[in-house]
Amino acid sequence: AQSVAQPEDQVNVAEGNPLTVKCTYSVSGNPYLFWYVQYPNRGLQFLLKYITGDNLVKGSYGFEAEFNKSQTSFHLKKPSALVSDSALYFCAVRPRGNNDMRFGAGTRLTVKP
Amino acid sequence: NAGVMQNPRHLVRRRGQEARLRCSPMKGHSHVYWYRQLPEEGLKFMVYLQKENIIDESGMPKERFSAEFPKEGPSILRIQQVVRGDSAAYFCASSPIKFPQGSYEQYFGPGTRLTVT
Repeated sequence: AQSVAQPEDQVNVAEGNPLTVKCTYSVSGNPYLFWYVQYPNRGLQFLLKYITGDNLVKGSYGFEAEFNKSQTSFHLKKPSALVSDSALYFCAVRPRGNNDMRFGAGTRLTVKP
Repeated sequence: NAGVMQNPRHLVRRRGQEARLRCSPMKGHSHVYWYRQLPEEGLKFMVYLQKENIIDESGMPKERFSAEFPKEGPSILRIQQVVRGDSAAYFCASSPIKFPQGSYEQYFGPGTRLTVT
């Protein structure tokens, strides 16, 4: 069965430091991979996706994610965190040729001034 | 171009009543998805619909829950005889048809927060 794992419930970083939010998946084939962000009392906002090509994907608000096929990972990164980046981040996976998307449990990112 | 619209934003129902949640997808989007989110938890897929057709309802509880996406009008998620355990945020998302199949992202509405008293 396909699954998405976000091994950290919470990530704390200081403003200006780099951040990483981890995601690993267990899906056959080469799935499409997504990151979303959720601010309090809001719906999810799309950040970026990996379809094919370059393993480093750049998205909104300075975020990027690195696809690693051998480790089946798609970690979200940002070189310099902002306090306003504090939110809940969700990784999602969809198998190719399929409409079935599955979300991870989410990681709460807190950036402290 | 308006985003995904959901109403009401907040809904309070007593146990045993019916809850109707509405979702209007983004213009040009023909696919609608419903998710449930419990406090401090991730999203749980419920159902995927196209116009007049349920594609995948594997995440829907077998009883009391139903969904539709008619030819005209919004998608409706209906919960009959609500219980306290139904209290959650319900999110709707929409997406266009895009190829290769499955490569599209979903656009989410602001959610409806259902409270059952």
